[in-house]
Amino acid sequence: AQKVTQAQTEISVVEKEDVTLDCVYETRDTTYYLFWYKQPPSGELVFLIRRNSFDEQNEISGRYSWNFQKSTSSFNFTITASQVVDSAVYFCALSEMMGYNFNKFYFGSGTKLNVKP
Amino acid sequence: NAGVTQTPKFQVLKTGQSMTLQCAQDMNHEYMSWYRQDPGMGLRLIHYSVGAGITDQGEVPNGYNVSRSTTEDFPLRLLSAAPSQTSVYFCASSLGPSQESTDTQYFGPGTRLTVL
Repeated sequence: AQKVTQAQTEISVVEKEDVTLDCVYETRDTTYYLFWYKQPPSGELVFLIRRNSFDEQNEISGRYSWNFQKSTSSFNFTITASQVVDSAVYFCALSEMMGYNFNKFYFGSGTKLNVKP
Repeated sequence: NAGVTQTPKFQVLKTGQSMTLQCAQDMNHEYMSWYRQDPGMGLRLIHYSVGAGITDQGEVPNGYNVSRSTTEDFPLRLLSAAPSQTSVYFCASSLGPSQESTDTQYFGPGTRLTVL
């Protein structure tokens, strides 16, 4: 079973629209971490946010905001007033402890966001 | 800081050839990992290392070897390349157990490998 599900394969919006990228995760651990990464067309992976399982406060960073709800196992990402530069593939990831105190990442399959001018 | 660097950026191999993908980091991170990215599948962990001399397998280790002789370097070896290994390979590093945000992984720019 998928540990991290990003059901939206591709989303297209027009600039200045708000857009929400969905992420649903599955874990039995009580301590875990959730992440969002951005992969622009150039291909690198850019870290956006890390959230631990004990902190359900929503977070806002400029036009980006994240909504973490343990009750629904979701960690959704909203971009307000989208811009063309937001066009990228966005990955949600879950990390769980493995051996050696190493946190293994499980990535969703990604959501491709197209922002049109 | 250069962060995480990977070489080469692109590589084409023939089936059966071997090669090594290089990864280096200059952030004094203890943990390093290799992932492969395939369309529609996100990133999957191949091997990881928690320090010099210590490595372990991830989800998809078959066909790959790793070693970690220094903190900085974590090369990935393809022993006998197969078309199924055509992918984009990412190396990542993270701080380690003694620090906060130990698990935030920082990724290199990737190596695009094609096996014919």
